[in-house]
Amino acid sequence: ELKVEQNPLFLSMQEGKNYTIYCNYSTTSDRLYWYRQDPGKSLESLFVLLSNGAVKQEGRLMASLDTKARLSTLHITAAVHDLSATYFCAVEGNYGGATNKLIFGTGTLLAVQP
Amino acid sequence: GAGVSQSPSNKVTEKGKDVELRCDPISGHTALYWYRQSLGQGLEFLIYFQGNSAPDKSGLPSDRFSAERTGGSVSTLTIQRTQQEDSAVYLCASSLYRAQPQHFGDGTRLSIL
Repeated sequence: ELKVEQNPLFLSMQEGKNYTIYCNYSTTSDRLYWYRQDPGKSLESLFVLLSNGAVKQEGRLMASLDTKARLSTLHITAAVHDLSATYFCAVEGNYGGATNKLIFGTGTLLAVQP
Repeated sequence: GAGVSQSPSNKVTEKGKDVELRCDPISGHTALYWYRQSLGQGLEFLIYFQGNSAPDKSGLPSDRFSAERTGGSVSTLTIQRTQQEDSAVYLCASSLYRAQPQHFGDGTRLSIL
């Protein structure tokens, strides 16, 4: 059974600082997604990582995927308050099969303090 | 263009009642998913529809839960004889094809009294 673990669960950081959120998963999958969720809102797609070594960047966020280590990272550079949200990673739960249902990590609540 | 639309946005009902939640996917998207988000369980997959294929119901937590998708578009998730543990936000997502990024609706917040 595929399990997805994220850490940390909660991250309080100051504006201008850098930090990394980690996402580990337990079985083979070559598709990993990062989503952002603001309070009371739905999930916004940030990145889709489709292959080993994939790296994608958007603004102050950069995501990478190492399929051999079954690890993805979401790196935050010079954080700003607007990045405060909950971030989820998600891995396809039936890669190569008939369903690409997503198995989500626990989420990381990011609070950027001024 | 229009995103995934869900209704109602909020639903409060008494324990034991049946509820129906509706999802309008993005036009042209062939794949449709239902997920549930609750404090205790996080985000969980419920059911998946792809075109005319038989749905993947492997995530439905009990036989009180069912879903259908009519005409390959609108989907309805039905919960019969609701229980307090059914309280959650029910999210619908759609994607163009099976292995494409999923776009989520705003969800239905269901509260069982």
